[in-house]
Amino acid sequence: AQSVTQLGSHVSVSEGALVLLRCNYSSSVPPYLFWYVQYPNQGLQLLLKYTSAATLVKGINGFEAEFKKSETSFHLTKPSAHMSDAAEYFCAVSDQGGNEKLTFGTGTRLTIIP
Amino acid sequence: DTGVSQDPRHKITKRGQNVTFRCDPISEHNRLYWYRQTLGQGPEFLTYFQNEAQLEKSRLLSDRFSAERPKGSFSTLEIQRTEQGDSAMYLCASSRGLARVTDTQYFGPGTRLTVL
Repeated sequence: AQSVTQLGSHVSVSEGALVLLRCNYSSSVPPYLFWYVQYPNQGLQLLLKYTSAATLVKGINGFEAEFKKSETSFHLTKPSAHMSDAAEYFCAVSDQGGNEKLTFGTGTRLTIIP
Repeated sequence: DTGVSQDPRHKITKRGQNVTFRCDPISEHNRLYWYRQTLGQGPEFLTYFQNEAQLEKSRLLSDRFSAERPKGSFSTLEIQRTEQGDSAMYLCASSRGLARVTDTQYFGPGTRLTVL
């Protein structure tokens, strides 16, 4: 069975500082990995996805993530945090790409300190 | 794309009552998914459809839950004899359903169910 673990249910960073949200996966087959963001009272929006084409994946809003097989990780980063980045972030895994069920982590709530 | 829509956005019901939620996917999206999200947790997969065919159901989908997509367009999720443990956000997503790993699931805003 596939799973993802998000380390840190809450992360606080100062505006302009580096954002680092951690995700480790467990999969018996080459995984497809996703990061979604959820703003209050809204649905999930895809930030980026890894589908084995490139290990460094760039997404929307200045976010990127790097797939590291040796560390079974897919951490999300952004060089400079903005107030609008405050939201809940979810890492997800699938063994069949985006058109099969996703298994989500428990989420990380990102708070931006002015 | 007008996006995935869900109705109602909020539902409060008493224990033992039946409730039905509706999801309208993005036009021409063949796949439709239902997830459930409880407070402090990530979404959990419930079931999904390819057109009108229900291809997979999670063990979370007890006998009290039933989902349909009769014409391969909108879908309904019904919960019979609701229990307090059913209180959650029910999320719907859709995707093109093409046999490509680059497919993307687009999520609706969810229906928040509160069972009193």
